[in-house]
Amino acid sequence: DVKVTQSSRYLVKRTGEKVFLECVQDMDHENMFWYRQDPGLGLRLIYFSYDVKMKEKGDIPEGYSVSREKKERFSLILESASTNQTSMYLCASSSLEGGTYEQYFGPGTRLTVT
Amino acid sequence: GQSLEQPSEVTAVEGAIVQINCTYQTSGFYGLSWYQQHDGGAPTFLSYNALDGLEETGRFSSFLSRSDSYGYLLLQELQMKDSASYFCAVRDWGNTPLVFGKGTRLSVIA
Repeated sequence: DVKVTQSSRYLVKRTGEKVFLECVQDMDHENMFWYRQDPGLGLRLIYFSYDVKMKEKGDIPEGYSVSREKKERFSLILESASTNQTSMYLCASSSLEGGTYEQYFGPGTRLTVT
Repeated sequence: GQSLEQPSEVTAVEGAIVQINCTYQTSGFYGLSWYQQHDGGAPTFLSYNALDGLEETGRFSSFLSRSDSYGYLLLQELQMKDSASYFCAVRDWGNTPLVFGKGTRLSVIA
């Protein structure tokens, strides 16, 4: 079974702090994604990556950056956390061969910025 | 741009059949996926349609009409555990990310 893990289930940070959210997958997937999920807004793509050291902006990249130094790990960075970044953050991965239609999601990190 | 429309909420009775519709407007289209998400859980993949017609997986079926830019998820013999949010998602050509709808919250009542 594919396993996608995220570093924290719940996180509370203060405004202005630098925040790191880590995601690791164990299926050698090429594609990795970061989404945020807010009530009524569904899943919105922040960044994605097709390969090591490769990144592409999604629909809402402002205020975020990412890092992919190893194939299995994709990190989301909030350079200076703000209250409007309080949300559920979901990481996902998929294989290049299988296409992006079947993505495997991690359990999510619920981030609260105070 | 791409947009997907699905009802925000649906309520159905245990044992019944429910259909969750999804219409899409996209610049490119390769296929339609469906995901299930229970409260507090992660989305999990249910089905994928690249061709017109019905795909059946147990109690769940998914349908696609490319000419109508329309698809639906059909859940039969509803159980209480089917109460969850259901998302449709469009796949464009190539290795591009999915675009998700805003989700339909299904409540199954006794």
